[in-house]
This record gives sequence, C-alpha cells and structure tokens, in this order.
Amino acid sequence: GQQVMQIPQYQHVQEGEDFTTYCNSSTTLSNIQWYKQRPGGHPVFLIQLVKSGEVKKQKRLTFQFGEAKKNSSLHITATQTTDVGTYFCAGPGGNTPLVFGKGTRLSVIA
Amino acid sequence: KAGVTQTPRYLIKTRGQQVTLSCSPISGHRSVSWYQQTPGQGLQFLFEYFSETQRNKGNFPGRFSGRQFSNSRSEMNVSTLELGDSALYLCASSLPREDGDTQYFGPGTRLTVL
Repeated sequence: GQQVMQIPQYQHVQEGEDFTTYCNSSTTLSNIQWYKQRPGGHPVFLIQLVKSGEVKKQKRLTFQFGEAKKNSSLHITATQTTDVGTYFCAGPGGNTPLVFGKGTRLSVIA
Repeated sequence: KAGVTQTPRYLIKTRGQQVTLSCSPISGHRSVSWYQQTPGQGLQFLFEYFSETQRNKGNFPGRFSGRQFSNSRSEMNVSTLELGDSALYLCASSLPREDGDTQYFGPGTRLTVL
C-alpha cells in the first residue's frame, strides 16, 4: 500500500537555528497536508499544498510541494521554543482518509 | 464552532476488559475517523464512518469496532483488551469526503491497559 516517509525522525536544534523536515511518498499525491502535534496535545492542521512546485509560507514556516508531487518539505527559520512538537505530513490514502508519515519530533534548546 | 470532543480523556483498564470511547465531531462534519497513536507506530488508521456507514477499515483485529449515529457522533469499542492496546486514541472529523479531506482531531483518549 501507499507509504509516506519522513526524515529525520528526531531533530534537536538550538533556538534561532533553522529546521527542515522532509516527506516522501511512494505514489504521486493529489495534495499533501502538514500537521503539528505539541507535546501532550493532538495533531493540528497547518496547511495543504495542491499544485506541483507549490510554495506556501506561514510566518517563519515555509512549505514546499515537489514538482513530481511525491515529496514535500517544511522549513522553519530561526526556531523558537514555541515550535517544539512533532510535525507530520499526510497524503490521501485511497482506502483511508489520509496516510500519515511517522513524523519528525523537533526539540528546541533555549 | 466547537471542536471535536472525545470522552473520556483518560481510561485505565485491565487485560480482558472491554472499553467504549466516544467522539462528537465538529457541527456539520459527517465523516469521523479513528486513529491509534503509539510512540513506535505513529498514527495508525483504524476506521472511517460516513453517514452511519463504515467506509474504510485499517489493519486492526476484529476486537476493534466502531459505529456512527445519525447525529454523526461516533463510538469505538475494543473488546478483550491486551497490553499492546495502550495508546492514545484520536478521533478526527471532516466535511463530506473529498480527496484528502483535512482532518480535525479531538484531544484524544489516553487508554492504559494493565
């Protein structure tokens, strides 16, 4: 079945450093979504990308959808302690609403 | 609009018991999905309901079941609990199904099986 893989699994950064997580799908995606889960919380929708090569920004967060629509990335500029959490990408699963990657857990050291 | 609500938030059970978890979706959302989240396996899809019908089912044993009521509220049941069932169970609701519907998650029910 369809698989969505994310790397790295964990990332520890100093506050102020940049952070990037990568997402790869085994199949072409019609769209990709990103979610953030704070420690002790639940996943919260961040953004959806639909077009090939699309780039969207939310303040310090930049989301990119690959030209082949099989990969995506999330880049955070100048991380802050409020960025701590696990970031998940997800794509339509066919037999499921979404297939989620296993996430990248971000720790920010103040 | 109120968000997705789940009850109870925490539950402790012993092996062999059964448990029922409840989920109320966002008003107007007709699709409800359930996920199991564990540290090692991430978010695993259990099943999805739409208009009281199960649309999709993940790769879980028959001990896991669910249903949806006419008001879109959903319940999931786990019978004959095993230690490995300890997890965070998340419910998510979405608008009528489209390709890759955004999932709005509830706070989850933390189940501990002793």
